[in-house]
Amino acid sequence: EIVLTQSPGTLSLSPGERATLSCRASQSVASRSLAWYQQKPGQAPRLLIYGASSRATGIPDRFSGSGSGTDFTLTISRLEPEDFAVYHCQQYGSSRGTFGQGTKVEIK
Amino acid sequence: EVQLVQSGAEVKKPGESLKISCKGSGHIFTNYWIGWVRQMPGKGLEWMGIIYPGDSDTRYTPSFQGQVTISADKSISTAYLQWSSLKASDTAMYYCARLESYYAGSGLYSYAFTIWGQGTMVTVSS
Repeated sequence: EIVLTQSPGTLSLSPGERATLSCRASQSVASRSLAWYQQKPGQAPRLLIYGASSRATGIPDRFSGSGSGTDFTLTISRLEPEDFAVYHCQQYGSSRGTFGQGTKVEIK
Repeated sequence: EVQLVQSGAEVKKPGESLKISCKGSGHIFTNYWIGWVRQMPGKGLEWMGIIYPGDSDTRYTPSFQGQVTISADKSISTAYLQWSSLKASDTAMYYCARLESYYAGSGLYSYAFTIWGQGTMVTVSS
């Protein structure tokens, strides 16, 4: 089973700042099958990025994903008030999927 | 509109059985894998398993194998998650979600949960 480790656990930033979130896999993620989700309190997760770098439908271009192999990054170029939330990475391969433990982006 | 609608919140006692549901609409239910995801209070997301309603092919994450049963009834576009004997540690929010594949080139595909249900809160307490 591939273990995903997200860092940092919490990121304290101000609106307008840049957020850089990391997701590291214990083994190489096949076909860059790495996704990022945003989750706000009391809501279901929402897909942001699939295939490591492709934005899902309706996702603003301030969200971008990069990486391959075992190291992946989600970048939010300029934080808007609605971006303060928890972000989860997820991989899928060989009929098995796993999530990271999440990174909380909070208002400083 | 493509959506997954889950059954309502449940409060159960340890040892009781439970079956929660996830009904799809607005898409061909049998063409996509449906997954179940657990989120314990204040914790992250955990991948429990997936089912292909077209033929009920099911894949469990090892830690959930034998602890829950995932099933589907394609005639009513509904997937299920069930427990035969609940424990207090099963207290969590449970989400169903549609797994979609994307061509990544070189004959490879990437996968992500594109559509999520609203979640079913299961509380197990004596």
